[in-house]
Amino acid sequence: NAGVTQTPKFRILKIGQSMTLQCAQDMNHNYMYWYRQDPGMGLKLIYYSVGAGITDKGEVPNGYNVSRSTTEDFPLRLELAAPSQTSVYFCASSYSNVGQYFGPGTRLTVL
Amino acid sequence: EDQVTQSPEALRLQEGESSSLNCSYTVSGLRGLFWYRQDPGKGPEFLFTLYSAGEEKEKERLKATLTKKESFLHITAPKPEDSATYLCAVLGSYNTDKLIFGTGTRLQVFP
Repeated sequence: NAGVTQTPKFRILKIGQSMTLQCAQDMNHNYMYWYRQDPGMGLKLIYYSVGAGITDKGEVPNGYNVSRSTTEDFPLRLELAAPSQTSVYFCASSYSNVGQYFGPGTRLTVL
Repeated sequence: EDQVTQSPEALRLQEGESSSLNCSYTVSGLRGLFWYRQDPGKGPEFLFTLYSAGEEKEKERLKATLTKKESFLHITAPKPEDSATYLCAVLGSYNTDKLIFGTGTRLQVFP
């Protein structure tokens, strides 16, 4: 099993550009999550999904969108990137919120 | 509002010098407390889940315990490879599907 995979690993965006962060898991987990991690701030939940076709907002959803058309994939869309979105983004998955498994992260810089 | 506070922020230990990390929480109806290890530049790695006061879990040199207000991660005779940031998270009945993370304890073990 590859576990949770994320692409790209690094990305630099200009202000106002858009991009999609990809996340896939091969563990047949029903729950998937997107977090951002800023230095000294801990992990903040952006969006999560409890199954295909179902998504909900976390603590910091503004400026982001998600979709979940399959069990395996949970892409995160950034529209009109802003410097405040500079962060490390982690995708995670779990079976009914019991012990989340994290991907390796995407380091995003918005200039 | 659910809250998680971890202490200390940073801890330096000599190899073999045992110590404990603290995770204090305020949550309405604890459904689970989770410990993760995070190495620099990587995603958090799941360690333990604790569900009720009095419960204990062990893995190699790590032992996690839980009371009604806090959890401890005890590290016995640590080695340099135990150096990492340790994160605590809680799942409460109010935020039904959302983990609330602490900001972590950065552990450094010197030979």
